[in-house]
Amino acid sequence: GENVEQHPSTLSVQEGDSAVIKCTYSDSASNYFPWYKQELGKGPQLIIDIRSNVGEKKDQRIAVTLNKTAKHFSLHITETQPEDSAVYFCAANDYKLSFGAGTTVTVRA
Amino acid sequence: NAGVTQTPKFQVLKTGQSMTLQCAQDMNHEYMSWYRQDPGMGLRLIHYSVGAGITDQGEVPNGYNVSRSTTEDFPLRLLSAAPSQTSVYFCASNPGAPNNEQFFGPGTRLTVL
Repeated sequence: GENVEQHPSTLSVQEGDSAVIKCTYSDSASNYFPWYKQELGKGPQLIIDIRSNVGEKKDQRIAVTLNKTAKHFSLHITETQPEDSAVYFCAANDYKLSFGAGTTVTVRA
Repeated sequence: NAGVTQTPKFQVLKTGQSMTLQCAQDMNHEYMSWYRQDPGMGLRLIHYSVGAGITDQGEVPNGYNVSRSTTEDFPLRLLSAAPSQTSVYFCASNPGAPNNEQFFGPGTRLTVL
């Protein structure tokens, strides 16, 4: 089955700086790569996703890039704000969704 | 729409006890899943269902049973709770195949003593 590795496990950034989270996956058949944000005490919520026929996707301050040859994808958050503090999960889908271990992002004011 | 609802929010069990975690969705989604979340391990798939009457095992199914008698409900049963099942459990639903947005419930925090 699919194996997704996510780095780093924790990330502390100054407000206004950028944050980057990287994931690798093992199954070349995977074709869907979502990112979820989990705030304290809540369930994860989709923030952005990318499919295998696209190399990059942006939504305001959030962007995701995908390199299918290298089997890695990344989340980029620009101009970070305190409300970006949360746990972020990447995932990859072959016939079911497999999640990375998560990255705890702390934005320092 | 209430989305995905889960009950209870918190539960403490003794080893060997049984219980059912409830999950319901009002979005008419065919696909529903149960995950457990443990520190440093992300979300791991327990069981999933692609429609009423159809269920299948995920990555960590041992010790858990599921059934799907209606589109709306997808309960998770622990037949004989063990301390290793202490975790936060999330139910999710999505319209169709896994390569679509999954909508998660608020979670159930379970402690097994």
